Amino acid sequence: AQKVTQAQTEISVVEKEDVTLDCVYETRDTTYYLFWYKQPPSGELVFLIRRNSFDEQNEISGRYSWNFQKSTSSFNFTITASQVVDSAVYFCALSEETSYDKVIFGPGTSLSVIP
Amino acid sequence: NAGVMQNPRHLVRRRGQEARLRCSPMKGHSHVYWYRQLPEEGLKFMVYLQKENIIDESGMPKERFSAEFPKEGPSILRIQQVVRGDSAAYFCASSPPAAVGNTIYFGEGSWLTVV
Repeated sequence: AQKVTQAQTEISVVEKEDVTLDCVYETRDTTYYLFWYKQPPSGELVFLIRRNSFDEQNEISGRYSWNFQKSTSSFNFTITASQVVDSAVYFCALSEETSYDKVIFGPGTSLSVIP
Repeated sequence: NAGVMQNPRHLVRRRGQEARLRCSPMKGHSHVYWYRQLPEEGLKFMVYLQKENIIDESGMPKERFSAEFPKEGPSILRIQQVVRGDSAAYFCASSPPAAVGNTIYFGEGSWLTVV
């Protein structure tokens, strides 16, 4: 069975603060893929990143960074110097090699960035 | 993700009517997925299709829901005899063929309201 947990339901930060969104996953597969998606208030789903289970290098893209730790089954997402436009629901997701790209989503973390 | 086209964006149906949601995948993509997002909830996998084949429908309700992806034309998610509990956002996603672990890209969603 696979499972994605995002323990933080809602987070509020003041603009320019850093914020980390937690994601913990469960899988029995050795080959799997992890994703983050953003859902802004307008409702669409925006792909942010995909990592495979063999690549534990952290990734940085502008103000966004991701920390993949296989030892703790975590794939955390940090936004540096948050902005109001970062306000959205963020979903962590997992797919397994044996699941034909079926992506299982966590419950999401709602981030509010207050000006 | 702008390449996945869903229509209608918003649909209102009375209880007992049928709802049809359409999805055209990105160019070159032959895999289509449907997800449902109930109010205040995360995304739940419904069904995974390839052209003329249902690969995984483990997330589909047993009754009233069906999906198809014909050789020609868009994928259709059909909900018969809708009830209020079917009110949700329905997201379609697509991915290219071949290797697993592909990123799936989402359309902008279809919001169904049952009155």
